[in-house]
Amino acid sequence: GNSVTQMEGPVTLSEEAFLTINCTYTATGYPSLFWYVQYPGEGLQLLLKATKADDKGSNKGFEATYRKETTSFHLEKGSVQVSDSAVYFCALSDRGGGFKTIFGAGTRLFVKA
Amino acid sequence: NAGVTQTPKFQVLKTGQSMTLQCAQDMNHNSMYWYRQDPGMGLRLIYYSASEGTTDKGEVPNGYNVSRLNKREFSLRLESAAPSQTSVYFCASSAPGLAGSDTQYFGPGTRLTVL
Repeated sequence: GNSVTQMEGPVTLSEEAFLTINCTYTATGYPSLFWYVQYPGEGLQLLLKATKADDKGSNKGFEATYRKETTSFHLEKGSVQVSDSAVYFCALSDRGGGFKTIFGAGTRLFVKA
Repeated sequence: NAGVTQTPKFQVLKTGQSMTLQCAQDMNHNSMYWYRQDPGMGLRLIYYSASEGTTDKGEVPNGYNVSRLNKREFSLRLESAAPSQTSVYFCASSAPGLAGSDTQYFGPGTRLTVL
């Protein structure tokens, strides 16, 4: 079945540091890939997405590239801010799976001033 | 647009009590979902409704029932609450079927404690 594996947290960085959160997936079809972000006390919200191989999703300085050959969708940001402190979830949605979304376990990011 | 709304925001129950969590969306989405979020386990799908009039079990349906009341509303019922159901519950909606439109939109969550 489909699955998503992302790096365990927490990840602690200083402001302006480079961020990478690794995500790999297993899917039988051709899934869409997502990164969602959850700020404290809130629900998840879409950060970025990519719907086919080699697509790059980007938003708010975050980027992720859909790599079919390595089944990966790593999240990167060149310079993090304190306001980026949140939990980040990698996810996939596969039409073959009836569009049910599979989420990774989440990675908590702390950014220190 | 309010997006996805959930009530209540917080709830404390005693073991064996029942309650219904309410969810509504105003985005005219066909599909709606209920998840629970537990530390270190990500989100787990409880039930979903692909369209009005249909409901299906997800990964962890035991102890729960759902009702898709109309296109806007999707409720989750705990008939006899247990401490293992202490969690944060999220409702979500989406409009699948179109390319790139399987993004899920989440409500703010209900924090449930069962004593």
